[in-house]
Amino acid sequence: QKEVEQNSGPLSVPEGAIASLNCTYSDRGSQSFFWYRQYSGKSPELIMFIYSNGDKEDGRFTAQLNKASQYVSLLIRDSQPSDSATYLCAVIAGGGNKLTFGTGTQLKVEL
Amino acid sequence: GAVVSQHPSWVICKSGTSVKIECRSLDFQATTMFWYRQFPKQSLMLMATSNEGSKATYEQGVEKDKFLINHASLTLSTLTVTSAHPEDSSFYICSAPRTGDEKLFFGSGTQLSVL
Repeated sequence: QKEVEQNSGPLSVPEGAIASLNCTYSDRGSQSFFWYRQYSGKSPELIMFIYSNGDKEDGRFTAQLNKASQYVSLLIRDSQPSDSATYLCAVIAGGGNKLTFGTGTQLKVEL
Repeated sequence: GAVVSQHPSWVICKSGTSVKIECRSLDFQATTMFWYRQFPKQSLMLMATSNEGSKATYEQGVEKDKFLINHASLTLSTLTVTSAHPEDSSFYICSAPRTGDEKLFFGSGTQLSVL
């Protein structure tokens, strides 16, 4: 079992819709959870981070964490074509600062 | 936001040569830096953790004699790919956790192509 799992996609949504990206992790001791956006040929850019169960909102982005079920999700409201990218879920296990990345989900926002 | 600078952005070299990649934290000190490698359509794979003033910690399967890491100051880490071969062609990315909140910031990456 991979430590951090994501559906590779592509996930296609129409412009203006809500995009929902999901991620599961295997280490129950994980404490910190991050979502990065990566455009082709570029390095990842931090979008959201979440440490506690529940929802965390930042503009059009909402991160949701459920530690009991070991999943973290990212919702993108009012999706724009510029949101088209690969979204990487990353997790830090308890006690360290080493990020483990999922394989990423490719999002395509269509006009 | 915090800035991590990485150079060069891309490099093309002949097989057998060595390539050095620099990673600098511009507005914070980084006692730790991470080096990742990413092949096309794959996720980032951690290669090694660079520690200021001490030896780097390499992930399983990464050859420490081939990928030399030096972290001589609190703002600079270098990765040298020695005797590069075509299979070393990849996107190399450094990152550093910002002191205080430990959020990880990435350099812009280096695309290495070995002919």
